[in-house]
Amino acid sequence: AQSVSQHNHHVILSEAASLELGCNYSYGGTVNLFWYVQYPGQHLQLLLKYFSGDPLVKGIKGFEAEFIKSKFSFNLRKPSVQWSDTAEYFCAVNPTGGGNKLTFGTGTQLKVEL
Amino acid sequence: DTEVTQTPKHLVMGMTNKKSLKCEQHMGHRAMYWYKQKAKKPPELMFVYSYEKLSINESVPSRFSPECPNSSLLNLHLHALQPEDSALYLCASSHPAASGNTIYFGEGSWLTVV
Repeated sequence: AQSVSQHNHHVILSEAASLELGCNYSYGGTVNLFWYVQYPGQHLQLLLKYFSGDPLVKGIKGFEAEFIKSKFSFNLRKPSVQWSDTAEYFCAVNPTGGGNKLTFGTGTQLKVEL
Repeated sequence: DTEVTQTPKHLVMGMTNKKSLKCEQHMGHRAMYWYKQKAKKPPELMFVYSYEKLSINESVPSRFSPECPNSSLLNLHLHALQPEDSALYLCASSHPAASGNTIYFGEGSWLTVV
């Protein structure tokens, strides 16, 4: 079974700082990769996803993520965060070729201070 | 705004009650999901319906009973729950439950078992 690790559980940044959230997965085959965001009191929203092709994917709100196959990683980045980026960020994977079973990481709580 | 609608948003029930959570989507998706999310934890898959048939049951206790009356509706029937079942229950949908199809989440139903 696949598993997902997010090593940063809580991150506090000042506005305009750069962001990188780590995500590593464990699975022997190919996977599809996702980052979801959950703003306070709101539902999970898809930030970006990677299925194949260019390993650098761009998502909404200026976020991007890079898939590094050799490192089993899919880190999320943003060059300059805003206060409104305060939220919980979840990395998720599902294996290709099977049912659509998303496995989520434990999440990273990001707080952006003014 | 999410196109997956869940009702009720909040539910308080006793351990001997029978209640239901409802979910509706009008995106033409043919796969629907129930996830459970405890506070400060990632969502955990409970059930997957594909073309109105139950395709995945993640060993969920029988006190949770899913139902998919048609391609747009998904219910979760609750009976004899325990206080530890208190959580946010998320409904989601996607195009057929094939790996890689983006899963869209509703806002969730907050359940408290007393």
